[in-house]
Amino acid sequence: ELKVEQNPLFLSMQEGKNYTIYCNYSTTSDRLYWYRQDPGKSLESLFVLLSNGAVKQEGRLMASLDTKARLSTLHITAAVHDLSATYFCAVNNAGNMLTFGGGTRLMVKP
Amino acid sequence: DTGVSQNPRHKITKRGQNVTFRCDPISEHNRLYWYRQTLGQGPEFLTYFQNEAQLEKSRLLSDRFSAERPKGSFSTLEIQRTEQGDSAMYLCASSLGRFPNYGYTFGSGTRLTVV
Repeated sequence: ELKVEQNPLFLSMQEGKNYTIYCNYSTTSDRLYWYRQDPGKSLESLFVLLSNGAVKQEGRLMASLDTKARLSTLHITAAVHDLSATYFCAVNNAGNMLTFGGGTRLMVKP
Repeated sequence: DTGVSQNPRHKITKRGQNVTFRCDPISEHNRLYWYRQTLGQGPEFLTYFQNEAQLEKSRLLSDRFSAERPKGSFSTLEIQRTEQGDSAMYLCASSLGRFPNYGYTFGSGTRLTVV
């Protein structure tokens, strides 16, 4: 059974600081997705990582995928308050559905 | 096409009542998924359709739950004899193909509260 683990589960950081969220998964997969969720809202797609070594950047967020280590990272550069949200990674399980991590709740304080 | 649409947005029901939710996927997407998300947790897979065929169901989908996708277009998720433990956000997603390069598009969800 595919398991996806994120850490930390909760992250409080100051504006302007950098930090990394980690996503580990238990079985082979070469597709990983990052989503953002604001309170009470649905999931917004951030990144689709399709192969080993894939790196994608959008604004202050950068995601990478190491399929050999079964690890993805979401790096936050110079955080701003607008990035406060819950971030989920999800792995495509044999092409049939996504299995999600437990989420990282990010709070950026001024 | 404006994305994945779900109705209603909110539903409050008494325990024991039946409820039905609707999902309209992106029109060219052939795959449709239902997920359930409880507070503070990641979404959990319930079931998925490829066109009109329901191909997989999670063990979370008890016999009180049934989903349909007639004609491979919209889908409905019905919960019979609701229980308080059914209170959650029910999310629908759609995709084009088995390994969508552009990811899965989620709807805004239906929040169910069973009182």
